[in-house]
Amino acid sequence: AQKVTQAQTEISVVEKEDVTLDCVYETRDTTYYLFWYKQPPSGELVFLIRRNSFDEQNEISGRYSWNFQKSTSSFNFTITASQVVDSAVYFCALKFGAGNNRKLIWGLGTSLAVNP
Amino acid sequence: ETGVTQTPRHLVMGMTNKKSLKCEQHLGHNAMYWYKQSAKKPLELMFVYNFKEQTENNSVPSRFSPECPNSSHLFLHLHTLQPEDSALYLCASSQDTRSSHEQYFGPGTRLTVT
Repeated sequence: AQKVTQAQTEISVVEKEDVTLDCVYETRDTTYYLFWYKQPPSGELVFLIRRNSFDEQNEISGRYSWNFQKSTSSFNFTITASQVVDSAVYFCALKFGAGNNRKLIWGLGTSLAVNP
Repeated sequence: ETGVTQTPRHLVMGMTNKKSLKCEQHLGHNAMYWYKQSAKKPLELMFVYNFKEQTENNSVPSRFSPECPNSSHLFLHLHTLQPEDSALYLCASSQDTRSSHEQYFGPGTRLTVT
């Protein structure tokens, strides 16, 4: 079965704390893609990152970093020195299949509140 | 520059009304999507269009009727909706449905059915 699990429903931190959002996925495919999106209160889902299954290199973009580990089927997202503007719902997604059978499935999201 | 736009941003309609949601993408993409987002539920894919052809309809009730006149525009026509249809309706686009690329989303239309 193909599945994305974001076990943390809600997280609350104080500004400047580091926070890690977990994403665990299941797929039988050997080629697949993982995504993170941010949904601020305004509603729009903002694309953050795409990672393909053959690239386990971790990525850092400013205060954001991603840790992809195939051994544990996880693609975790860390925000360093969190800020109030990071408050949002964060979604992890998995794209699998090929050609006309390519599908995208979503986790339920983690709501992050960063308090001043 | 906003890649995907949606209008209106908010809509309140009665169960007997007919309304339409509009989506426009300025990214040169060939695939467009309608999603429904309700509280405490996963994002639900409703319809997919690829090169103007509908490729997916995920058992959506016929009171929702999509239209894709070209690769840049997507509409969702609404009629005789139910209160449980109240949700955030998101439009997205991507290069095409076969690629591995990400989808880009509009700001959504917050729909309330009274």
